[in-house]
Amino acid sequence: DQQVKQNSPSLSVQEGRISILNCDYTNSMFDYFLWYKKYPAEGPTFLISISSIKDKNEDGRFTVFLNKSAKHLSLHIVPSQPGDSAVYFCAASDLTGNQFYFGTGTSLTVIP
Amino acid sequence: GAGVSQSPRYKVAKRGQDVALRCDPISGHVSLFWYQQALGQGPEFLTYFQNEAQLDKSGLPSDRFFAERPEGSVSTLKIQRTQQEDSAVYLCASSQQETQYFGPGTRLLVL
Repeated sequence: DQQVKQNSPSLSVQEGRISILNCDYTNSMFDYFLWYKKYPAEGPTFLISISSIKDKNEDGRFTVFLNKSAKHLSLHIVPSQPGDSAVYFCAASDLTGNQFYFGTGTSLTVIP
Repeated sequence: GAGVSQSPRYKVAKRGQDVALRCDPISGHVSLFWYQQALGQGPEFLTYFQNEAQLDKSGLPSDRFFAERPEGSVSTLKIQRTQQEDSAVYLCASSQQETQYFGPGTRLLVL
């Protein structure tokens, strides 16, 4: 049973506009959430994270929003750049941090 | 600084062969994780080490899969009698706190 879901397998956005990637989870014990970016033939690269005590975390063009009541998080990229084109995975873990559960990924294409 | 490295990057095996995949974590990272990523899927947890202790192996799909980290640094994932369904990318990650840093993965193809 998939505990972390990314329901949009792909997303296309014009350069300069906002990209919004969504992620839903089912386990209310999840306490820490991360976004990873993955280029072909490379391992996932850490992008940004958020703990459950916050509802927003910002790092440059990247902002992650967490809605615990809805069990939903989103990644906003503003402004989007062609180099942002990659597959984005969200991941979640509980307090122990012993296991991380990943979504199936969203492939983002930023059109120049 | 050096990141997580994995070898080999690609491995082709005949069904029934044993394979060994190596992971060199970031120096000083206590935690080490192995994941299996099938085509079009996200990484799926296999096992977790804290130093040399294997604290969780609940994700290993069968007893053909075995992982070790004898000195608390380099780890090896061994798959015995490989099957076609073992074909996937095997990712290793290490962490010091909450954030995991991934290696490039080993792409295993079982024919």
